[in-house]
Amino acid sequence: GAVVSQHPSWVICKSGTSVKIECRSLDFQATTMFWYRQFPKQSLMLMATSNEGSKATYEQGVEKDKFLINHASLTLSTLTVTSAHPEDSSFYICSADSGTTVATGELFFGEGSRLTVL
Amino acid sequence: TQLLEQSPQFLSIQEGENLTVYCNSSSVFSSLQWYRQEPGEGPVLLVTVVTGGEVKKLKRLTFQFGDARKDSSLHITAAQPGDTGLYLCAGPLYRTYKYIFGTGTRLKVLA
Repeated sequence: GAVVSQHPSWVICKSGTSVKIECRSLDFQATTMFWYRQFPKQSLMLMATSNEGSKATYEQGVEKDKFLINHASLTLSTLTVTSAHPEDSSFYICSADSGTTVATGELFFGEGSRLTVL
Repeated sequence: TQLLEQSPQFLSIQEGENLTVYCNSSSVFSSLQWYRQEPGEGPVLLVTVVTGGEVKKLKRLTFQFGDARKDSSLHITAAQPGDTGLYLCAGPLYRTYKYIFGTGTRLKVLA
């Protein structure tokens, strides 16, 4: 089956630094990637939808200048948490659509990245 | 505002009992998926339902998609401790390119 790789799996950083999380589709081209944030014991909250070659569409309440999303190629999307603070600590998950999601609901998920900001 | 509401939020039952989890929305979905997620991992797909009124069975799990494609249910028969986890419904909003998750149901099955 299709594979989506997310890196790093976990990261610890100091407050004020920026952290980049990568999401790669390994064996298919992802026209769209979704980024989610998950707090402990809660569901996944959609942060933004990114399409290759265009600006990401952010959900209401998500700061676009805080969470920079770049989808420069059909196999890579990155999420950069800028000037991270402890409240940004969370589990971030990406997912990739090979173009069939709307029709089939089929979506491929990364393993998740746990960010801890000290 | 959560577009996909799940109930109950938490459920703790004894092994062997049956349970039903509900996923409701006022919006139409092109399809709905059910996932189970373990702590620290990404969600794992259990099933996809596409057609209104569709019923799918996966061993002890029965999934149903509402006729209007606005709601779904997951029924587990004779629950086992291995069924413990976070259950999530999710799907692409009809005529949008947005894939969203339900509020989640945390299930604990006691031996």
